[in-house]
Amino acid sequence: DAGVIQSPRHEVTEMGQEVTLRCKPISGHNSLFWYRQTMMRGLELLIYFNNNVPIDDSGMPEDRFSAKMPNASFSTLKIQPSEPRDSAVYFCASRPGTVTGELFFGEGSRLTVL
Amino acid sequence: RKEVEQDPGPFNVPEGATVAFNCTYSNSASQSFFWYRQDCRKEPKLLMSVYSSGNEDGRFTAQLNRASQYISLLIRDSKLSDSATYLCVVATMKTSYDKVIFGPGTSLSVIP
Repeated sequence: DAGVIQSPRHEVTEMGQEVTLRCKPISGHNSLFWYRQTMMRGLELLIYFNNNVPIDDSGMPEDRFSAKMPNASFSTLKIQPSEPRDSAVYFCASRPGTVTGELFFGEGSRLTVL
Repeated sequence: RKEVEQDPGPFNVPEGATVAFNCTYSNSASQSFFWYRQDCRKEPKLLMSVYSSGNEDGRFTAQLNRASQYISLLIRDSKLSDSATYLCVVATMKTSYDKVIFGPGTSLSVIP
C-alpha cells in the first residue's frame, strides 16, 4: 500500500519566491497534519485538518504561510514570500481517525531558501 | 515551559547496554502518549504507544506516571540498529480533536 506521498522531496529557492509543498495522505485517513522540523525547534505542528477542514492552525507562523485541503486525497502548504528562516524539513502526516492513534509520515520536503 | 521536554542528548552507549530516556509534559489533561523513532534524515515512525499500566515490546519498555507527568522508555540489550533519535509524543484532547505535540527528541548512538 502506498504511504503518505510528499513532493517535492527537495527544493532550493531564493528569498521572496513562492513555495508550494504537496501531500497525498493515505487513502481512507481522515486526519492530516503538517509539521516543520528544524534543529533548533524540533518538530512543530503547523496545521491539522480533519475531513478536509482546518481544525487547528495555531501553529502557522504568520500570514506568509497558508494551507489547503481541497479534497480527501490532496493538501498543499504554501509559503509566499519565502524567507531564509523558512528553511526546514516539512512533513505531512495522516491518521485514520479524528482522535488518537498512530500518525503516518511522508518522507518530508527539504526546503532551502537562499 | 515547553509542552513536552526530553533528556538532552546525545546518549552514546556500548552494544548490549541498557539505556533509559525520560520525558515530561506540562498539560495534566494530556491523555495519549507515544514514543516515535526517527532515523537520520528520515521521517518519524511509531515505536510504541504508552499505556497507563506500562507496556513492553521485546527489548523496549515504556512507563507512564500521570501524577508526575512523566514518561520513560527503557531499551535493554542495545543493538547498533537502535541508533536513532527517540521522540516523546503527547496528545491532549481539545473540544473535538486532539493536539499532538512532539518532544525535541533524544539522540542515541550505540557503539560497537
